[in-house]
Amino acid sequence: EVQLVESGGGLVQPGGSLRLSCAASGFTFSAYTMNWVRQAPGKGLEWISYITSSSSPIYYADSVKGRFTISRDNARNSLYLQVNSLRAEDTAIYYCARQMVGATIFDYWGQGTLVTVSS
Amino acid sequence: QPLLTQPPSASASLGASVTLTCTLRSGYSRYTVDWYQQKPGKSPRFVMRVDARDVVTPKGDGIPDRFSVLGSGLNRYLTIKNIQEEDEGDYHCGADHASGSSVVWVFGGGTKLTVL
Repeated sequence: EVQLVESGGGLVQPGGSLRLSCAASGFTFSAYTMNWVRQAPGKGLEWISYITSSSSPIYYADSVKGRFTISRDNARNSLYLQVNSLRAEDTAIYYCARQMVGATIFDYWGQGTLVTVSS
Repeated sequence: QPLLTQPPSASASLGASVTLTCTLRSGYSRYTVDWYQQKPGKSPRFVMRVDARDVVTPKGDGIPDRFSVLGSGLNRYLTIKNIQEEDEGDYHCGADHASGSSVVWVFGGGTKLTVL
């Protein structure tokens, strides 16, 4: 069974940092492209970052470029998102999502981790 | 104008049918669109992909046969027949889009489906 379990969220002050993690199991993690997608409270989905199985290329949404860094450790079956210079508008549930092989479909999603940016 | 536009809400009676619409920006009629279902308090789940004419990939895991898609012009439709209470939730459409030397993914604002 495919499982994606995010962690690392929490309450952080504006300007602060967090490192989000996504632990993968039930599939060959090293063979899959992965993404981070977020959802602000009561709002729609916003894609924020993409990383291939080999960690190149990497893409970011303009809203997070220069502040967020995606990475992965295939040996640990883990995906990461380093989030720096956090703003109130970064408050959201952050989901990791697996991308289907051969298609740009997000076929499995984790349960999400909540990041709240507030003083 | 956003790449993808969805009406914010829709409703249908138990056992009836409903069609949700995702509209592409003018000039993007060839784009494929993915539909995702998000039940209250849960993470999104892939439903189906649709291009300008028909289904491009099989349904996501556990998606019942009551769900179908159709593409026409700038519109991508998700139809649910014999609606059940379990179908209530938010439905998001999304698409990948080349942007300069990179690729970005864009979602519509989502449609909240209420089962009456």
